[in-house]
Amino acid sequence: EVQLLESGGGLVQPGGSLRLSCAASGFTFSNYDMSWVRQAPGKGLEWVSSSSAIGGGTYYADSVKGRFTVSRDNSKNTLYLEMKSLRVGDTAVYYCAKATCGGNCYRFDCWGQGTLVTVSS
Amino acid sequence: DIQMTQSPSSLSASVGDRVTITCRASQSISSSLNWYQQKPGKAPKRLIYGASSLQSGVPSRFSGSGSGTDFSLTISSLLPEDFATYYCQQTYSGPPTFGQGTKVEIK
Repeated sequence: EVQLLESGGGLVQPGGSLRLSCAASGFTFSNYDMSWVRQAPGKGLEWVSSSSAIGGGTYYADSVKGRFTVSRDNSKNTLYLEMKSLRVGDTAVYYCAKATCGGNCYRFDCWGQGTLVTVSS
Repeated sequence: DIQMTQSPSSLSASVGDRVTITCRASQSISSSLNWYQQKPGKAPKRLIYGASSLQSGVPSRFSGSGSGTDFSLTISSLLPEDFATYYCQQTYSGPPTFGQGTKVEIK
């Protein structure tokens, strides 16, 4: 059974940093693209960033480019999201999502339970 | 970026009703569309992929149709557990984009 477990969320002041983790199990992690998708309170879904299984490419939404860094450790089956210069507008539940393929793939078939990031003074 | 527009934003329906939600893409996306169901406090769950293929384990009262720019999700006979918010997502090209959601509420 595919499982994705996010951690690392919490309360942080504007301008602060946070590192999210997503521990994956139940599939061959290195073969699949992985993404972060967020949802602000009471709002819809917004794609944030992706890590490609092929070629190591990383991709970002314009809203986080230059502030967030996605990475993966295939030996630990874990996806990360390093978030810096956090803004109040980054407040959201952050979900880790598995794609069904590798290589610029955004067909998400499984999501973690999410971790809440609150940016507030 | 490809814009996805869902309608309606919300609807009220009764158990047993047939419900249809539509999703329109700002350009052709072939059949590259997913539908998700999300309940309060829970992660999205994929219902439909490739515009019309039913995710394993999802009841057959859910169906999807469409291609190009116009798509729909239909629930043939609404059950109490179907009251939730539904999102479409284009998987045609990056960045992946979602519709704004359709909240299905109890009448």
